[in-house]
Amino acid sequence: GENVEQHPSTLSVQEGDSAVIKCTYSDSASNYFPWYKQELGKGPQLIIDIRSNVGEKKDQRIAVTLNKTAKHFSLHITETQPEDSAVYFCAAITRRGSQGNLIFGKGTKLSVKP
Amino acid sequence: NAGVMQNPRHLVRRRGQEARLRCSPVKGHSHVYWYRQLPEEGLKFMVYLQKENIIDESGMPKERFSAEFPKEGPSILRIQQVVRGDSAAYFCASSQNGWTEAFFGQGTRLTVV
Repeated sequence: GENVEQHPSTLSVQEGDSAVIKCTYSDSASNYFPWYKQELGKGPQLIIDIRSNVGEKKDQRIAVTLNKTAKHFSLHITETQPEDSAVYFCAAITRRGSQGNLIFGKGTKLSVKP
Repeated sequence: NAGVMQNPRHLVRRRGQEARLRCSPVKGHSHVYWYRQLPEEGLKFMVYLQKENIIDESGMPKERFSAEFPKEGPSILRIQQVVRGDSAAYFCASSQNGWTEAFFGQGTRLTVV
């Protein structure tokens, strides 16, 4: 089955700096890669996603890149703000017929220091 | 996403009791996933259901745990004879077709005393 590795497990940056979180996946058939942000005491919130036919996607200060050959994808947050502090999870879905299983990385705890 | 409703938000059970966790997916979504999360840890996959069918239960303990997603009504995760080690946050997510956006509920925090 699919396995998703995520690095680093913790990341501390100064406000205004950029943050990069990297994930690798094992199943070359995986074709959808969402990123979630989880704040303390809340459920994970979908913040951006990318499909296997696209190499990069951007939404304001966040962007995701995908390298299918190397089987890795990354989340980039620019001009970080204290409210970006949270745990970020990457995930991968492998579509098989009418179903797909959503497998997560272990998460990255991002701290943005003012 | 406010569309996925989980209840209760907090549940306290004594050892040996049963816990029932409910998840109402986003309207029109027929795929539901359940995950378990311990403090400071990631999301551990438990079970994947499509209306009236269990697609993948490889992450769910074979003893005491069961899940269903009936034709009508919410998905239910049932834990029988709870033990202290079952204390965790349980999240469900729903997806329209299983391979696109999945949205999470706010979770049920189960405490076994």
